[in-house]
Amino acid sequence: AQTVTQSQPEMSVQEAETVTLSCTYDTSESDYYLFWYKQPPSRQMILVIRQEAYKQQNATENRFSVNFQKAAKSFSLKISDSQLGDAAMYFCAYAQRGDMRFGAGTRLTVKP
Amino acid sequence: NAGVMQNPRHLVRRRGQEARLRCSPMKGHSHVYWYRQLPEEGLKFMVYLQKENIIDESGMPKERFSAEFPKEGPSILRIQQVVRGDSAAYFCASSPITGRGSVSGELFFGEGSRLTVL
Repeated sequence: AQTVTQSQPEMSVQEAETVTLSCTYDTSESDYYLFWYKQPPSRQMILVIRQEAYKQQNATENRFSVNFQKAAKSFSLKISDSQLGDAAMYFCAYAQRGDMRFGAGTRLTVKP
Repeated sequence: NAGVMQNPRHLVRRRGQEARLRCSPMKGHSHVYWYRQLPEEGLKFMVYLQKENIIDESGMPKERFSAEFPKEGPSILRIQQVVRGDSAAYFCASSPITGRGSVSGELFFGEGSRLTVL
């Protein structure tokens, strides 16, 4: 079974600074998807960014970007110009043929 | 286009009672997933269903838990004889089928149903 590992239970960043959240995964497949989801206190799961494994170019969504290293099976999320509203749990997820598995999450705190 | 709808949002049951959680996928989505989230933990996969068919139930506890997605109506996650350890948030997600016939990678989540067992 595929596993997703987030080695940072908690991270903290100063407002307007940059923070990187780590994620590694284990798979023998070559075609899959990777995601970062944000879960604020409301518990709603919000898609932050998505990466298709066959694309070498790193995905970017405004202040959010990823560093996708397929050979290393690494998928980190970089948040630039951090804002107070970025404070949440962040989950890395792997999906292949409809099967999505999540990491344990990283709690991000943003300090004013 | 309404999102994934889950109800009830909050459910309180006493030990030994039954809990039924409902999920209506987004319009046009034919795949439903159930996840459980314990406090301060990530989402754990439970089951993946298509209409009238269970695709993968490898994350479902062997006893007391069942899920269905009938031809008509919402998907139901049923927990019989609930125990305190069943207290959690249960998330439903749905996904469409891409034009190629394979399942799109992204899941669209409901707001979750929080079950509290007294």
